[in-house]
Amino acid sequence: AQSVTQLDSQVPVFEEAPVELRCNYSSSVSVYLFWYVQYPNQGLQLLLKYLSGSTLVKGINGFEAEFNKSQTSFHLRKPSVHISDTAEYFCAVSGTSYGKLTFGQGTILTVHP
Amino acid sequence: DTAVSQTPKYLVTQMGNDKSIKCEQNLGHDTMYWYKQDSKKFLKIMFSYNNKELIINETVPNRFSPKSPDKAHLNLHINSLELGDSAVYFCASSRGGPANTEAFFGQGTRLTVV
Repeated sequence: AQSVTQLDSQVPVFEEAPVELRCNYSSSVSVYLFWYVQYPNQGLQLLLKYLSGSTLVKGINGFEAEFNKSQTSFHLRKPSVHISDTAEYFCAVSGTSYGKLTFGQGTILTVHP
Repeated sequence: DTAVSQTPKYLVTQMGNDKSIKCEQNLGHDTMYWYKQDSKKFLKIMFSYNNKELIINETVPNRFSPKSPDKAHLNLHINSLELGDSAVYFCASSRGGPANTEAFFGQGTRLTVV
């Protein structure tokens, strides 16, 4: 069985400040890790993914994440956020061959001017 | 050209009714999914089909019946709707396989049961 825990339900931050959204996972098999973003009343858009290789993964909109196997973490970071980054962010894990995603509870990122 | 499209976007209906949500993908993917997002924004998989064959059924009530007429379509039919069925339902698709697990999501269908 797999599970994902997003450690912060809400993260307020000022514009141009750095941000880190934390994600921990548990799984008995090798996993693939994802971050998705959901803007209000919209679907989910993939920010980045880790399948294998380099543990530092770069995604869209200036986001990056680091896979840490020993700490079973996949934290999302951005060095300087914009107002437009205000959204809900979901960490997800997949460990099956058919791509079933198990999601965390979501983190609401609010960027203040 | 929308990759994964769902209709309708909003659905308001009374308890006890039967309703359907349609989903189509034009990405050529083999695998399609239905996810439910509850009022607390928690996302959970309901079903998955691979090449029209049901491969995941996550303890969803029998009132929910997915149907895949071809690998580009996965519809969700719900019988005898209950208040607790109110949620946002997302359709998604992926190529499947261990190296192709990026899922593309539709815009969601907000179902409200009154």
